Amino acid sequence: DVKVTQSSRYLVKRTGEKVFLECVQDMDHENMFWYRQDPGLGLRLIYFSYDVKMKEKGDIPEGYSVSREKKERFSLILESASTNQTSMYLCASSLTGRLGEKLFFGSGTQLSVL
Amino acid sequence: EDQVTQSPEALRLQEGESSSLNCSYTVSGLRGLFWYRQDPGKGPEFLFTLYSAGEEKEKERLKATLTKKESFLHITAPKPEDSATYLCAVQASGGGADGLTFGKGTHLIIQP
Repeated sequence: DVKVTQSSRYLVKRTGEKVFLECVQDMDHENMFWYRQDPGLGLRLIYFSYDVKMKEKGDIPEGYSVSREKKERFSLILESASTNQTSMYLCASSLTGRLGEKLFFGSGTQLSVL
Repeated sequence: EDQVTQSPEALRLQEGESSSLNCSYTVSGLRGLFWYRQDPGKGPEFLFTLYSAGEEKEKERLKATLTKKESFLHITAPKPEDSATYLCAVQASGGGADGLTFGKGTHLIIQP
């Protein structure tokens, strides 16, 4: 089975800190995604990547950046964390992004910004 | 803009009481409609993909169906372990690996 691993289960950071969320997948998937999940809002796409060093903005990219230096690793960066970025962050991957292909999700990182 | 609306937001059933969850969607060319299950504190877990109207898929007590405007997740004789949030998502045919558009989910509780 595909495994998507997020480095931290819980994180607590201070306003203004630079925050790195790491995600690794072990099945040579081309595509990787970062979502955030908030009560009442559902999952929203922040950024995605379809190849090494490639990135595309999702629906809510403001305040975030990403890095994909290796195929298996996709990092989400909060340049200056703010309280409205407190959320559950979910990483996902898919093999090629073709017709009807499912996403595999990690277990999530619950980030609290104080 | 792709839209996915799930109803009800929450549903409480007795063990063995069958019901259906609804997912209505608006999308510019459907590539796939997905159902996921999410347990508290965990990431979504894939259940089904449906590609075209009239298609049905089953897994244990769950059956997913698809029309041109909506999908239903039917739960037959549910057990307490079926309690979870069920998410519906669509992928449009706009091209590119641009992920899924999710609904807000239905929180299902099965009482013993």
